[in-house]
Amino acid sequence: ETGVTQTPRHLVMGMTNKKSLKCEQHLGHNAMYWYKQSAKKPLELMFVYNFKEQTENNSVPSRFSPECPNSSHLFLHLHTLQPEDSALYLCASSQAGQGLVYEQYFGPGTRLTVT
Amino acid sequence: AQSVTQPDIHITVSEGASLELRCNYSYGATPYLFWYVQSPGQGLQLLLKYFSGDTLVQGIKGFEAEFKRSQSSFNLRKPSVHWSDAAEYFCAVGRGGATNKLIFGTGTLLAVQP
Repeated sequence: ETGVTQTPRHLVMGMTNKKSLKCEQHLGHNAMYWYKQSAKKPLELMFVYNFKEQTENNSVPSRFSPECPNSSHLFLHLHTLQPEDSALYLCASSQAGQGLVYEQYFGPGTRLTVT
Repeated sequence: AQSVTQPDIHITVSEGASLELRCNYSYGATPYLFWYVQSPGQGLQLLLKYFSGDTLVQGIKGFEAEFKRSQSSFNLRKPSVHWSDAAEYFCAVGRGGATNKLIFGTGTLLAVQP
């Protein structure tokens, strides 16, 4: 595997289900990100992890719970979601910021549908 | 606050024609600028980036972009479009600090006519 991978690619879940999205990066990066991409809206940054520590949470509802066990893996745990949470969830990775700007590399995304 | 504006939501060009996608940014310091492309059902792929130096930047797939500080613009160009270029294109500005954060525009959807 190369680059950034995400599983599953598609997920349909009911509002009472619990599921998890997985992201893995094979680029040796130290920062990982979750984005939400909804139709006709700008890309929304949800969470940022630098060196496994969460450094940003953009007022994301608690029904989304991220986990970063190491610099290569990132999870997004989902529970009691709402239909408006249906979107494409993108994972990205980069070198850690530490005052500088680096390009981010994206995975293919998980298309989530909440019924 | 930093922001990125892509004025064109949707553009249609004929195959073989030239292309220019517009991007304007708002940023107080020297900007770090990016263009990404997203094909249907895929993630975002980096086309090119500008950090400093030569204001004309070459990228992958025959794309280039020109940074114009006086106009706060970073327009993406390609001299001859191929049908496979049909996709959505995103401009982004990077903000340094404790978190490496990118601010994205709303995207321009490119359609290519045969």
